[in-house]
Amino acid sequence: AQTVTQSQPEMSVQEAETVTLSCTYDTSESNYYLFWYKQPPSRQMILVIRQEAYKQQNATENRFSVNFQKAAKSFSLKISDSQLGDTAMYFCAFAYNNNDMRFGAGTRLTVKP
Amino acid sequence: DTGVSQNPRHKITKRGQNVTFRCDPISEHNRLYWYRQTLGQGPEFLTYFQNEAQLEKSRLLSDRFSAERPKGSFSTLEIQRTEQGDSAMYLCASEAQGSYGYTFGSGTRLTVV
Repeated sequence: AQTVTQSQPEMSVQEAETVTLSCTYDTSESNYYLFWYKQPPSRQMILVIRQEAYKQQNATENRFSVNFQKAAKSFSLKISDSQLGDTAMYFCAFAYNNNDMRFGAGTRLTVKP
Repeated sequence: DTGVSQNPRHKITKRGQNVTFRCDPISEHNRLYWYRQTLGQGPEFLTYFQNEAQLEKSRLLSDRFSAERPKGSFSTLEIQRTEQGDSAMYLCASEAQGSYGYTFGSGTRLTVV
């Protein structure tokens, strides 16, 4: 079974600082996709960044980047220059072979002014 | 296209009553997913459709739950004889098959009293 673990239930960061959210996963698959989703309070879930397992280069999207360590089954999200609007729940997720996506329990991130 | 639409946004029902939720996906997306999310947790997979065919159901989907996507467009999720444990946010997402790009709706929050 595929599992996704986020070991940090809550984190906080000062505005303009950098924060890293951790995610580990367990799978026997060799080709899969990993995702970070953001869910602001009372708002819908949106995709932040996506990584394809067969690509060694870490994905980046503006202030968001990942550190993908395939052998260690680790997929962390780095948010640079944190903004107040980054305050949200962040979910790590996994999908493979056209199957449904499985999510971690989430990390609540608070950006402090 | 305005994205994935879910109705109603909120539903309060008495224990034992039946409820039905609707999801309208992005029109060109042939896959549609239902997830359940309880407070402080990540979304849990319930079921998904490819066009009108229901391809997978989670064991979380008890006999009291049924989902349909009759014409491969919108989908409904019905819960019969609701229980307090059914209180949760029900999320719908759609995807063009193989794109690994879910678009989520805003969810339907169910409260069973």
